[in-house]
Amino acid sequence: EPEVTQTPSHQVTQMGQEVILRCVPISNHLYFYWYRQILGQKVEFLVSFYNNEISEKSEIFDDQFSVERPDGSNFTLKIRSTKLEDSAMYFCASSYGGENTEAFFGQGTRLTVV
Amino acid sequence: AQSVTQLGSHVSVSEGALVLLRCNYSSSVPPYLFWYVQYPNQGLQLLLKYTSAATLVKGINGFEAEFKKSETSFHLTKPSAHMSDAAEYFCAVSFNDYKLSFGAGTTVTVRA
Repeated sequence: EPEVTQTPSHQVTQMGQEVILRCVPISNHLYFYWYRQILGQKVEFLVSFYNNEISEKSEIFDDQFSVERPDGSNFTLKIRSTKLEDSAMYFCASSYGGENTEAFFGQGTRLTVV
Repeated sequence: AQSVTQLGSHVSVSEGALVLLRCNYSSSVPPYLFWYVQYPNQGLQLLLKYTSAATLVKGINGFEAEFKKSETSFHLTKPSAHMSDAAEYFCAVSFNDYKLSFGAGTTVTVRA
């Protein structure tokens, strides 16, 4: 069964450092997403990406965040200068699109900023 | 803006008992509704979704949910809990923009 894969599963970084979280969406999907879940809080939408550009972003997705699909298979989330409050589980998801098609989620990357 | 509220952050049931997880949504237009499950150390897996074709939706692992427009609810049930149902459950809503808005989640524990 096709699945969304994320690497690494756990990343520890120093405050102020740049991190790149990687995702391989399902191959025939057209929409890609990043969500995050701070410990003890709800899963929050960060950004959606379609046709090689951001289609929507939340207020959380400020200038320190960026997304890219560099080679047609990977989908990355970059955090330029990490802060302690960026510590969270980051989920990548993809969907084919169209009405009510579900998103398939990866297993997540736990980012810990120290 | 659309949102969902899950009543009860933690539900404890006995093995074999009914599982009932509550979800209410707020929306001015017909939403698409989903239930996801997250097992320990795993990602989010779709249990079922409401597509407006039928108000009673059957999902995987014996779960089902009923869409009640008059109550703006989409509660998740399973007649008989199994130990393997211990997980966190998330209700989510979306519209044609495809992004999901999640509830806060309900953790289910199953007692032997």
